[in-house]
Amino acid sequence: DAGVIQSPRHEVTEMGQEVTLRCKPISGHNSLFWYRQTMMRGLELLIYFNNNVPIDDSGMPEDRFSAKMPNASFSTLKIQPSEPRDSAVYFCASSSFTGDTQYFGPGTRLTVL
Amino acid sequence: GQQLNQSPQSMFIQEGEDVSMNCTSSSIFNTWLWYKQDPGEGPVLLIALYKAGELTSNGRLTAQFGITRKDSFLNISASIPSDVGIYFCAGPPNTGNQFYFGTGTSLTVIP
Repeated sequence: DAGVIQSPRHEVTEMGQEVTLRCKPISGHNSLFWYRQTMMRGLELLIYFNNNVPIDDSGMPEDRFSAKMPNASFSTLKIQPSEPRDSAVYFCASSSFTGDTQYFGPGTRLTVL
Repeated sequence: GQQLNQSPQSMFIQEGEDVSMNCTSSSIFNTWLWYKQDPGEGPVLLIALYKAGELTSNGRLTAQFGITRKDSFLNISASIPSDVGIYFCAGPPNTGNQFYFGTGTSLTVIP
């Protein structure tokens, strides 16, 4: 299996621009997670889906962030408009079911200037 | 939310030394997992523990599921430069269908 795939690996954008991060989970996994990692706050869970349905989005920082999972093999995390404080590494992870071992993608390093 | 506290927060050791780190929780956990994150990469699963008291090894790594089910330990023997990275504990508490990550232990190995 190819593992969790994320794109792009790096994104540099200017404040105010829309940013879309993409994730393809491991085939057959029913749960998908979006995390943000920064030096100051460590690894934070933003939102997770179970069977394509958002279950808990309490970690999403504010309305500028949104996530979708239109089907079992694709999810997006969108930031609109982006701000410099959104600069971080964003990880996607998937698992067979919520509570099972999670497997991480390589991450997207986002820099907002 | 659930807090998994790891200690130490960071370690600087000489190559060849042994390393010990731990993870504690206020809740009972059903499973304990240890992940390693290399610089610039996502966390990768190292060891999984499923029973209280369980001791599991993976090469130079040994992890234990604490008998109280509220803690876990990871030891690395004879450290080498490629052990550098951040080590996370993680797992689902028995209180619900959630999954939590610890605060991380950053390891630096000095050649």
